Amino acid sequence: NAGVTQTPKFRILKIGQSMTLQCAQDMNHNYMYWYRQDPGMGLKLIYYSVGAGITDKGEVPNGYNVSRSTTEDFPLRLELAAPSQTSVYFCASSQQGNEKLFFGSGTQLSVL
Amino acid sequence: GIQVEQSPPDLILQEGANSTLRCNFSDSVNNLQWFHQNPWGQLINLFYIPSGTKQNGRLSATTVATERYSLLYISSSQTTDSGVYFCAAAYGNNRLAFGKGNQVVVIP
Repeated sequence: NAGVTQTPKFRILKIGQSMTLQCAQDMNHNYMYWYRQDPGMGLKLIYYSVGAGITDKGEVPNGYNVSRSTTEDFPLRLELAAPSQTSVYFCASSQQGNEKLFFGSGTQLSVL
Repeated sequence: GIQVEQSPPDLILQEGANSTLRCNFSDSVNNLQWFHQNPWGQLINLFYIPSGTKQNGRLSATTVATERYSLLYISSSQTTDSGVYFCAAAYGNNRLAFGKGNQVVVIP
């Protein structure tokens, strides 16, 4: 099993550009999450989804959007990139809420 | 939200040494998870441990939910144990609060 797959692994954006971070899982998990990790800090929840068609905000949702059209995919959209969005982004999934969490390999994003 | 504090923040170990990492949380939790982030950035789930003790090879974890802490034990440390260890406490509805991590360096 591939688990949780994220693409791309690295990306550099100019201020104001847009991009979509892709995330897919093949474990038939109901719950999917997007986190960001800033240097020396833990992970902060951006958005999460409890199933196809259902999404909700986490701690730091401003500047991001998500959608969940299928169980497998949970893309994260940055509409107008800002330097404050420079971070490492992790997608994760779990079978149900508050169950064991599995992470993707991360996307390192720089906004210059 | 819940506060999660990890100690010590940084730890240098000689290969073969044992160590204990601590995670304190400020309120009741639904479960507690420990993760290892390797030097390449990958996050691996080590333990899902709402209470009690679990063992996985040279690693073991204990959560005492009533006293709001969890411990991660590393025995006979190896260089591959280097990285950052995060604990994460689940609370409320689908919320997971992460600590800032324990940076561990194991030197040969």
